[in-house]
Order: sequence, then C-alpha cells, then structure tokens
Amino acid sequence: GQQLNQSPQSMFIQEGEDVSMNCTSSSIFNTWLWYKQDPGEGPVLLIALYKAGELTSNGRLTAQFGITRKDSFLNISASIPSDVGIYFCAGPYGGSQGNLIFGKGTKLSVKP
Amino acid sequence: DADVTQTPRNRITKTGKRIMLECSQTKGHDRMYWYRQDPGLGLRLIYYSFDVKDINKGEISDGYSVSRQAQAKFSLSLESAIPNQTALYFCATSISGYGYTFGSGTRLTVV
Repeated sequence: GQQLNQSPQSMFIQEGEDVSMNCTSSSIFNTWLWYKQDPGEGPVLLIALYKAGELTSNGRLTAQFGITRKDSFLNISASIPSDVGIYFCAGPYGGSQGNLIFGKGTKLSVKP
Repeated sequence: DADVTQTPRNRITKTGKRIMLECSQTKGHDRMYWYRQDPGLGLRLIYYSFDVKDINKGEISDGYSVSRQAQAKFSLSLESAIPNQTALYFCATSISGYGYTFGSGTRLTVV
C-alpha cells in the first residue's frame, strides 16, 4: 500500500540553527502538505504544495514539491524554541479526493 | 469555543467495554475524519464521511464503527475495547481538498 517515509525521525538542534527534513512516497502525489503538531494538540496545516517543483514559504518555513512528484522537503530557518513539535508530511490517500495519508513524523527538539 | 471539539479529552476504560468518542464542529464543513496516532507511527485513517449519508472505511477500520448524526457531529465507537486500541484519537474536518482542521484529540487507554 501507499507509504510516506519521513526523515529524520527526530532532531535535536540548537536555537538559531536551520532545519531540513524530507518525505518520500512510494507513489506519485499531486499534492503535498506539511503539518505541525504542538505537544498536546492536533496537527495544524503549515504549507500546501500543488505543483511539481513548487517552492512555497510561510515565514521561516520553506517547503518544496519534488520534481519527481515522489518527494517533498521542509526547511526551517533560524529555529526558535516554539518550533518544537512533530512535523508531518501528508499526501492524498488511495487516489480519492480529500483523504490524507500521513508520514510518521519528524520530532523536533530545540535547545535554547 | 474550539472549531472542532472532541470529548472526552482523556479516557481510561477496561478491556471489553464499549466506548464512544465524540466530535462536533462549528466550521460548517461537510467532510469529517477519524484518525488514530500511535508513537512513531504517525496518523492513520480509521473512517471518513463526506456528508451525512456517506460513511467510508479508512486504512484501519477493524474494531471501530462510526456514526454521522448530523453535519456537525461524527462519533467513533469501539464496540469491545482491547489494549492495542490504546492511542491518541483525532477528529478532523475539511470543506474540500486537504486543509484539515483537527480537534485537540482524545487520549484513550484500554486496561
């Protein structure tokens, strides 16, 4: 079945450092999304990508839709303590419209 | 009030008990979803509903059932809870596409 592989599984970084994470799929996606889950809360949409090669920013966050349509990347610049959380990539599930399959997440810890 | 409200926030139940998790939304969205989150496994889709008369199984529906009582309400039931159903459960809504709004989750422990 469909799978999304996220890496790394976890990261421990110093405040101010840049962060990079990625997600690969076993099949082609026409949409990639990145969500963030704060501790004790549900995930919140950060960035949505709809076109191969697309590069989209949201503040210090930048995400890219890979050219192969099987991968996506999320970068966070100049990390701050509130960046702590779990970052999930997601894409359409089973070809149906509106359902998402999620990666297993990248857990980010930031040391002040 | 939150756009998507899940009750209860925490629940401990015994093996074999029937339990219902409730979700209500004020977003006016037609689509509602139930996901399960386990440490290191991400979020997995249990059931979804695109409108009141539409119910569909997701990736891991065995052992679960749902009811869409109204556009704003979507409940998840465990008919006979078992310990490996211990997890964090999330309800989500969307109007279309993939811009989900998630609730704050229900932490369920089956002992």
